[in-house]
Amino acid sequence: QKEVEQNSGPLSVPEGAIASLNCTYSDRGSQSFFWYRQYSGKSPELIMSIYSNGDKEDGRFTAQLNKASQYVSLLIRDSQPSDSATYLCAVLAYSGAGSYQLTFGKGTKLSVIP
Amino acid sequence: EAQVTQNPRYLITVTGKKLTVTCSQNMNHEYMSWYRQDPGLGLRQIYYSMNVEVTDKGDVPEGYKVSRKEKRNFPLILESPSPNQTSLYFCASSFGRAYQPQHFGDGTRLSIL
Repeated sequence: QKEVEQNSGPLSVPEGAIASLNCTYSDRGSQSFFWYRQYSGKSPELIMSIYSNGDKEDGRFTAQLNKASQYVSLLIRDSQPSDSATYLCAVLAYSGAGSYQLTFGKGTKLSVIP
Repeated sequence: EAQVTQNPRYLITVTGKKLTVTCSQNMNHEYMSWYRQDPGLGLRQIYYSMNVEVTDKGDVPEGYKVSRKEKRNFPLILESPSPNQTSLYFCASSFGRAYQPQHFGDGTRLSIL
């Protein structure tokens, strides 16, 4: 069973600070990694994807991947109250017979305090 | 406007009464998928489809059926619903990169009594 672990939070950060969200995964052969943001009562929205080791930046968001440590993180710079949401980590791995499995973590709830 | 449309948004029904949740996308996406979201369990994939007439099981397919006769539609069928299928359901689609849901519908909250 492929596992994706996230700290459920809540993670509280002051407005303007850097929020750091972490995710670990069990399948060493995992290939693709995604971060989704889900506001309360809404559907998830894809905010970042990363496929190779290192950092990937998009605006205030930076995804970091370390395959050796089986660790992926999301940094949110200059956090805003509008960033308050649950962040879902998702990991894609080969599951055999030509199929792939996308496994989601349970999510980390972020609260940005004005 | 790019959209994934699910219907109904809310449904309360009884055990054993067949139901269908429809999903339609207007982006000509090849890849579509269904998820359920439960407190403490997160988002879990039920079924996915790589294209017309190509479907495969996800993590929790038991008790569900799907079909993909047209590219835009991917209905989720519960032939004999049971209370453990009470959940929040999401349909999603994507283009180019399979297995990476890009656009989610607004969700269907299903209660099976």
